Amino acid sequence: QKEVEQNSGPLSVPEGAIASLNCTYSDRGSQSFFWYRQYSGKSPELIMFIYSNGDKEDGRFTAQLNKASQYVSLLIRDSQPSDSATYLCALNTGGFKTIFGAGTRLFVKA
Amino acid sequence: DTGVSQDPRHKITKRGQNVTFRCDPISEHNRLYWYRQTLGQGPEFLTYFQNEAQLEKSRLLSDRFSAERPKGSFSTLEIQRTEQGDSAMYLCASSFAAVSSYEQYFGPGTRLTVT
Repeated sequence: QKEVEQNSGPLSVPEGAIASLNCTYSDRGSQSFFWYRQYSGKSPELIMFIYSNGDKEDGRFTAQLNKASQYVSLLIRDSQPSDSATYLCALNTGGFKTIFGAGTRLFVKA
Repeated sequence: DTGVSQDPRHKITKRGQNVTFRCDPISEHNRLYWYRQTLGQGPEFLTYFQNEAQLEKSRLLSDRFSAERPKGSFSTLEIQRTEQGDSAMYLCASSFAAVSSYEQYFGPGTRLTVT
């Protein structure tokens, strides 16, 4: 089992819809969780981080964490074509090492 | 620009040659990371520095790879005797060491092509 699992996609949503991206992880000791956005040919850009169970909102983005279910998700409201990218889920188990998933490709249709 | 910078942005080299990449982290960040990313995969951890000390090196990193961070500022990653399998994007990231703070910020990356 991979340490961080993401559906590779592509996930296709119409413009203005809610995009829901999901991530599961295997290490129950994981403490910090991150979502990065990566455009094709570019480096990852940090868009959200969450440390506690529940929801965290920042603009159109909401991160949701459920440590009991070992599940973290990212919701993007009012999706725009410019949101089309690969979204990487990442986690940290309390040390220096951050582990990344392979990413989910999101395509927002205009 | 106060973000993480990397140089060069692209490098094409022939198999067997040595290459060196440079990373300049965000100035107040004392943690520096190197990752490698291949197509369709997430970044893969290579090594980590806190200030000038290299605290961890991935098992994935062969003896051909070496990294330094003299004076705890910029860092270099050297690959000796490059192989075609070394072709990838090499990413540098930095973060500020604080309690419960592990957010990392990436540079633009160096894309290496070994022919």
